[in-house]
Amino acid sequence: QKEVEQNSGPLSVPEGAIASLNCTYSDRVSQSFFWYRQYSGKSPELIMSIYSNGDKEDGRFTAQLNKASQYVSLLIRDSQPSDSATYLCAVIPNFNKFYFGSGTKLNVKP
Amino acid sequence: SAVISQKPSRDICQRGTSLTIQCQVDSQVTMMFWYRQQPGQSLTLIATANQGSEATYESGFVIDKFPISRPNLTFSTLTVSNMSPEDSSIYLCSFRDTGRTEAFFGQGTRLTVV
Repeated sequence: QKEVEQNSGPLSVPEGAIASLNCTYSDRVSQSFFWYRQYSGKSPELIMSIYSNGDKEDGRFTAQLNKASQYVSLLIRDSQPSDSATYLCAVIPNFNKFYFGSGTKLNVKP
Repeated sequence: SAVISQKPSRDICQRGTSLTIQCQVDSQVTMMFWYRQQPGQSLTLIATANQGSEATYESGFVIDKFPISRPNLTFSTLTVSNMSPEDSSIYLCSFRDTGRTEAFFGQGTRLTVV
């Protein structure tokens, strides 16, 4: 079983819609969770971090964490074509190395 | 956060040769990492670069193939040795600011071995 699992997609949503990206992780002691966005040919850039159960909002982005169910999600409201990218979920168990998911490719159609 | 600079951004190399990738951060950082990302795939950790001591390698990666140096808290290099076409990939350096958990990435090095 992989440490971090994501649906590879592609996930296609129309412009203006809400995009919902999901991630599950296997290590129950994981404390830190991150979402990275990676445009084609570019390196990953951090867009959200979340450490506590519940929701964390930053502009059009909302990260949701449920430690009991071991999943973390990212909602993108009012999706724009510029949001089209691969979104990587990352988890750190006990402040050690990162485990990255395989990424979900998001296509936002104008 | 600190700014990270990685070079070269890309290179085409002959098989059997070696390439050294450099990563420079504009402030002292605690942890530096090297990743490989093959086309369409996620990031695979190669090793953690430890300042002043030998790097800690992940399963499947060895020092003879991927020697790493980290002479100080702002700089690290990764060498891909005796390259074969299977080493064609994107190599990324990453760091964590002291006292923080988030990781940030360099611009990446796209390596093609012919």
